[in-house]
Amino acid sequence: DGGITQSPKYLFRKEGQNVTLSCEQNLNHDAMYWYRQDPGQGLRLIYYSQIVNDFQKGDIAEGYSVSREKKESFPLTVTSAQKNPTAFYLCASSHLGTVEAFFGQGTRLTVV
Amino acid sequence: EDQVTQSPEALRLQEGESSSLNCSYTVSGLRGLFWYRQDPGKGPEFLFTLYSAGEEKEKERLKATLTKKESFLHITAPKPEDSATYLCAVRGTGNQFYFGTGTSLTVIP
Repeated sequence: DGGITQSPKYLFRKEGQNVTLSCEQNLNHDAMYWYRQDPGQGLRLIYYSQIVNDFQKGDIAEGYSVSREKKESFPLTVTSAQKNPTAFYLCASSHLGTVEAFFGQGTRLTVV
Repeated sequence: EDQVTQSPEALRLQEGESSSLNCSYTVSGLRGLFWYRQDPGKGPEFLFTLYSAGEEKEKERLKATLTKKESFLHITAPKPEDSATYLCAVRGTGNQFYFGTGTSLTVIP
């Protein structure tokens, strides 16, 4: 089945630790995105990538880092510099030639 | 600045009671307006893309329409399984998507 797989579904982090969220897609999509979702707020863009080895900051990139070494994979690292990391994180992907994006099932990160 | 505003924030309907959700938008060079359904704890599920004013798309009890300033998601004779948060998003000439905060729909049996 084609799709976008995010793992883990739930993640707990101690303050001061870095954690990495995984996002893999087998849709042969060129572009990949990371969003953060908080209650009462729309999805906010963290980073996006249109091509391997290239990525751009979104609106709330501070405290996050990404890599795009393979077309299929776009991992997100939440660093200790992110002051309020508890949130629901969503990965999405799209073809460059089309306009809509498709989402994974999300990772809920909780700082304990 | 590109932005999306959805209303109402929450909507409670009796089963079979039709209604509409609104999405107002401003965007430079609309490439597409999107509707998604999101269930609690899940990622958004793609429903429709609308490309230009006057366009309509239908799927089961849902019908999406588009004008130059807003989109409506009409829900006809809803069922309890239609309960979810419905998200609207736009994409302009850039590569970013802009999302509204969603409408939480509850359909009561």
